[in-house]
Amino acid sequence: NAGVTQTPKFQVLKTGQSMTLQCAQDMNHNSMYWYRQDPGMGLRLIYYSASEGTTDKGEVPDGYNVSRLKKQNFLLGLESAAPSQTSVYFCASREGGNQPQHFGDGTRLSIL
Amino acid sequence: GENVEQHPSTLSVQEGDSAVIKCTYSDSASNYFPWYKQELGKGPQLIIDIRSNVGEKKDQRIAVTLNKTAKHFSLHITETQPEDSAVYFCAARDGANSKLTFGKGITLSVRP
Repeated sequence: NAGVTQTPKFQVLKTGQSMTLQCAQDMNHNSMYWYRQDPGMGLRLIYYSASEGTTDKGEVPDGYNVSRLKKQNFLLGLESAAPSQTSVYFCASREGGNQPQHFGDGTRLSIL
Repeated sequence: GENVEQHPSTLSVQEGDSAVIKCTYSDSASNYFPWYKQELGKGPQLIIDIRSNVGEKKDQRIAVTLNKTAKHFSLHITETQPEDSAVYFCAARDGANSKLTFGKGITLSVRP
């Protein structure tokens, strides 16, 4: 039972490079989320998707874009990476209503 | 928007003692309050949650209490064990919004 799978687990980029973080869930959940976790800052929402084909900005969306073309996948893009985007990124999914969010194990991203 | 505060940022207890972690929230419309445990290198895992129509919920050594009037909720861990050492996050969500707002987390250390 895989749950929420994030790839890659680790990545090092140079400033200005682009990349896409991938998230897949096998629980047929409607909603998906991207968070970043920085020391002392807790979990901050970047973008979320309430259903396939829809996306909305969260608390810290600047410098990121997202795509939810398939229900099971939620992609987070960095068009031009900056050192301030060095962080641990977590994806989560939720069935809907007042059901809990389920998290992946994160992508550790360093931007030099 | 919702603001969730979690204090203190660190807590150290002796094995076998109880630990209590408190969170406050600002939005009286919030009606769902989960607690997550995050171990090193892993994503947050739901350990217990409570909805606003309930004042207390227990699951073995873990309990959560909710005081809607004072807008605070607490996690209680009894008979603490070294494996309880982790970062604990509280969160709140209102019924009309699918987004969770997280506290900044507390690092619990259980001394053997």
